[in-house]
Amino acid sequence: DQQVKQNSPSLSVQEGRISILNCDYTNSMFDYFLWYKKYPAEGPTFLISISSIKDKNEDGRFTVFLNKSAKHLSLHIVPSQPGDSAVYFCVTTSGTYKYIFGTGTRLKVLA
Amino acid sequence: NAGVTQTPKFQVLKTGQSMTLQCAQDMNHEYMSWYRQDPGMGLRLIHYSVGAGITDQGEVPNGYNVSRSTTEDFPLRLLSAAPSQTSVYFCASSLAGSGAKNIQYFGAGTRLSVL
Repeated sequence: DQQVKQNSPSLSVQEGRISILNCDYTNSMFDYFLWYKKYPAEGPTFLISISSIKDKNEDGRFTVFLNKSAKHLSLHIVPSQPGDSAVYFCVTTSGTYKYIFGTGTRLKVLA
Repeated sequence: NAGVTQTPKFQVLKTGQSMTLQCAQDMNHEYMSWYRQDPGMGLRLIHYSVGAGITDQGEVPNGYNVSRSTTEDFPLRLLSAAPSQTSVYFCASSLAGSGAKNIQYFGAGTRLSVL
């Protein structure tokens, strides 16, 4: 049973526009959330994270929003750039070392 | 600054063969883990270690063995390869702890095909 769901396998966005990637989770005990980005033939790289005590975290063009009551988080990329084209994974932990990955969303930013 | 190094990058095995995927990190991280990624799926945890001499099973451990004799190295052994083990394997490491200390750093992966 998928505990972390990314229901959009792919997303295309024009350069300069906003990209919004969504993620839903099932367990209210999850207390830390991360987004990883993955380019082809490379390992995932950490992008941004948020603790369950917050509802927003920003880092440059990237903002993650957390809605605990809805068990939903989203990643906003503004403005989107062609170099942002990659697979984005929503990841969570429940206070342990173990990561639980979503299935990923492939973002394509069109020039 | 090497980070997490995985070898080999590619490997083809025949069913029943055994092999070891190597993983080394130079960041003095206590926690190391192995994942596999299959098409249309996220990464799934195979085995993990919270320090030298300590290992435990993850979500999909069957058919794999691990050991952790040093902080730096965490090899993954396939005992008798099966076609179902065709996948891309990633090794990761992080500082011990949770929250912000649990940012995991991944190697570039090993693409394994079992015929």
